[in-house]
Amino acid sequence: GAVVSQHPSWVICKSGTSVKIECRSLDFQATTMFWYRQFPKQSLMLMATSNEGSKATYEQGVEKDKFLINHASLTLSTLTVTSAHPEDSSFYICSARERGLRTQRRGTGELFFGEGSRLTVL
Amino acid sequence: KNEVEQSPQNLTAQEGEFITINCSYSVGISALHWLQQHPGGGIVSLFMLSSGKKKHGRLIATINIQEKHSSLHITASHPRDSAVYICAVSDKLIFGTGTRLQVFP
Repeated sequence: GAVVSQHPSWVICKSGTSVKIECRSLDFQATTMFWYRQFPKQSLMLMATSNEGSKATYEQGVEKDKFLINHASLTLSTLTVTSAHPEDSSFYICSARERGLRTQRRGTGELFFGEGSRLTVL
Repeated sequence: KNEVEQSPQNLTAQEGEFITINCSYSVGISALHWLQQHPGGGIVSLFMLSSGKKKHGRLIATINIQEKHSSLHITASHPRDSAVYICAVSDKLIFGTGTRLQVFP
């Protein structure tokens, strides 16, 4: 089946530094990638939708200047947490929607998830 | 009230039992997803449904669009099925709070 690779799987950083997380679709082209955040014992929350070649669409309450998303190619999206603070410590997960004319029209392409990245900011 | 509600929140079962997890939603959707999240955090997409029923191995997912309700069934449950099962609806992805399943031998 389709595979989405997320890297790094865990990262510890000092407060004030920036951290970049990569999400790659390994065997398919993904016109749309999604970034989520999950705090302990809480549900996933969509942070932003990333479309290849265009600006990301951020959900309400998510700071676009703090969480920089780049989707420069059909197989790679990156999330950069800028000037990280302890409250940014969380589990970040990406998913990718496979490109295809049929699925694009219907907007219901299957989602494939990365393994997640656990960020701890000291 | 959450737009996507799951029940039960926690579920304990003996190996071999038939398990049902329910999901109700209050928004219009193009598809409903059932996801499995293991303790390490990784997520696997189990099903994507827009109507009817799908089966994969011991897992069965059904959806009733008129009633805005979906169920995930696990037949002959096994300890390796222990995980958090999450219902999510799209286009804009809205997640349920998950059902934590523990299956004991």
